[in-house]
Amino acid sequence: GESVGLHLPTLSVQEGDNSIINCAYSNSASDYFIWYKQESGKGPQFIIDIRSNMDKRQGQRVTVLLNKTVKHLSLQIAATQPGDSAVYFCAETLLSGYSTLTFGKGTMLLVSP
Amino acid sequence: EPEVTQTPSHQVTQMGQEVILRCVPISNHLYFYWYRQILGQKVEFLVSFYNNEISEKSEIFDDQFSVERPDGSNFTLKIRSTKLEDSAMYFCASDRNNNEQFFGPGTRLTVL
Repeated sequence: GESVGLHLPTLSVQEGDNSIINCAYSNSASDYFIWYKQESGKGPQFIIDIRSNMDKRQGQRVTVLLNKTVKHLSLQIAATQPGDSAVYFCAETLLSGYSTLTFGKGTMLLVSP
Repeated sequence: EPEVTQTPSHQVTQMGQEVILRCVPISNHLYFYWYRQILGQKVEFLVSFYNNEISEKSEIFDDQFSVERPDGSNFTLKIRSTKLEDSAMYFCASDRNNNEQFFGPGTRLTVL
């Protein structure tokens, strides 16, 4: 079946660097995408979302880019901090049937001081 | 800030036993969900619940699973006869307007 996948299972960066976490999705019908952060022992935490009618959305220190042509989603974290260390998941869904989120496997971000 | 809470944090059970995982969603939320995450794997959707009935369920959510909102505050997931492969983290989530799900901290279920 169609699924969401991540290219890099682990990303190690230095504090202050910019981080880029990538995600490929295969369901071309998906029109709503979300990035979640999951810290150890906690549930997924919403970071930022983007609808398919946009190609970029900015939050506080985070930017999500959507490239529908190649079905690619990325999360950029500016000036990465040790507190950003976590597993990051992308998820996709259809706004018309929002309840079903399909998650990717996750990328571990490790930030060294 | 309101949070989704889940109890217990860790449940250990014998294969074949019934377990009930409990969740208290955020109080003004209307949509409720269960997900599971097997160790090292991705989060998987199990079921969504709205207006006192299941709105969607995945293939994982077979006859061994059931959900209930018994008293207007709790939202429970019951596994009738647990199997070894049910061992996972189970996350509850709630949503007010069907546009942003807030997740609980999860219950780790270990089936021996």
